[in-house]
Amino acid sequence: KNEVEQSPQNLTAQEGEFITINCSYSVGISALHWLQQHPGGGIVSLFMLSSGKKKHGRLIATINIQEKHSSLHITASHPRDSAVYICAVGPFTGNQFYFGTGTSLTVIP
Amino acid sequence: ETGVTQTPRHLVMGMTNKKSLKCEQHLGHNAMYWYKQSAKKPLELMFVYSLEERVENNSVPSRFSPECPNSSHLFLHLHTLQPEDSALYLCASSREPYSSYEQYFGPGTRLTVT
Repeated sequence: KNEVEQSPQNLTAQEGEFITINCSYSVGISALHWLQQHPGGGIVSLFMLSSGKKKHGRLIATINIQEKHSSLHITASHPRDSAVYICAVGPFTGNQFYFGTGTSLTVIP
Repeated sequence: ETGVTQTPRHLVMGMTNKKSLKCEQHLGHNAMYWYKQSAKKPLELMFVYSLEERVENNSVPSRFSPECPNSSHLFLHLHTLQPEDSALYLCASSREPYSSYEQYFGPGTRLTVT
């Protein structure tokens, strides 16, 4: 069983829709990261958070440490948001991440 | 500009070949990482280097050999690979080798072993 579970695995939305991607994890963490991977492979870090909520443009990330759960929200989705979104957690000890398998998002015009 | 570059972007090699992947970071970071990404599987950490010293090695087969000559450069030497080693190999760097620091990824090398 993977330490990080994401849902849904695949998501198709119409342009303008509000999107939520969920991440649950099973280890104690020092930080949780949301990453974006576009076709072609490059990965970009969207958020790093250890509590509460962060907002960047149309993207919002929240985390509930007690419930070991995080959500990534995209408001007013756009076709350029089409990508794979990956949740990664950094445990208290050690220097590696545990990664989810990713959520593949397609936004249709 | 991510600040992390990787070469080559694509590589096709036979099982008896020897090749090397190169990663360079221009961010002044102290830690560098190699990851393997196979289809439908989570990213797998292969190696972590901190200030040119290997600090993590996740039971990677010896046919993968990392080298970190300085804090800006990281290599992955490949020899006698298997077809199941075909994957996207990603390099990343962070300020320090701890998971509470943001990682910056390179564009990856798409490796195909024939």
